[in-house]
Amino acid sequence: AQKVTQAQTEISVVEKEDVTLDCVYETRDTTYYLFWYKQPPSGELVFLIRRNSFDEQNEISGRYSWNFQKSTSSFNFTITASQVVDSAVYFCALSERYNYGQNFVFGPGTRLSVLP
Amino acid sequence: EPEVTQTPSHQVTQMGQEVILRCVPISNHLYFYWYRQILGQKVEFLVSFYNNEISEKSEIFDDQFSVERPDGSNFTLKIRSTKLEDSAMYFCASSLTGDGNTIYFGEGSWLTVV
Repeated sequence: AQKVTQAQTEISVVEKEDVTLDCVYETRDTTYYLFWYKQPPSGELVFLIRRNSFDEQNEISGRYSWNFQKSTSSFNFTITASQVVDSAVYFCALSERYNYGQNFVFGPGTRLSVLP
Repeated sequence: EPEVTQTPSHQVTQMGQEVILRCVPISNHLYFYWYRQILGQKVEFLVSFYNNEISEKSEIFDDQFSVERPDGSNFTLKIRSTKLEDSAMYFCASSLTGDGNTIYFGEGSWLTVV
């Protein structure tokens, strides 16, 4: 079973629209961590946010906001007033404790295209 | 800001050749990782490394692959006899601890096997 599901394969929006990227995860651990990474066309993986399972407060950083809901095992990411530079593939990831390290698993990614 | 650096950024190699991808993790980090991403696909875990040994590996990481930390700074991935299907972007990463700490990725090494 896939541990991290990003049901939206591709999304296209017009600049200045708001867009929400969905992430649903699956874990049996009570302590775990969730992440979002951005992969722009240049290919690198850019860290955006880390959340632990005990902190359900929503977070806002500029035009980005994240909604963590344990009850639905979701960690959704919203971009407000999208810009062309937001065009990228966005990956949600889950980290679970494993032996001497962490089992860090990416979702399949959502490709966001922001059109001018 | 400290970052993970990888070399080469792009390598083309012939099938059957050995390839070594090099990485310099963030200096105070203790956990090191290799991930790969076949073009257009998801980022897949290959191996994690801690305290000079492999702590976890995926089924992708078969006998053709090996990792090494030859000195205090470098972390390498060797593919012994490359196959066409090894063509992918290989990401090195590191984290301070292994307990849910953020994993920081390098810019990737794009390997093309012809």
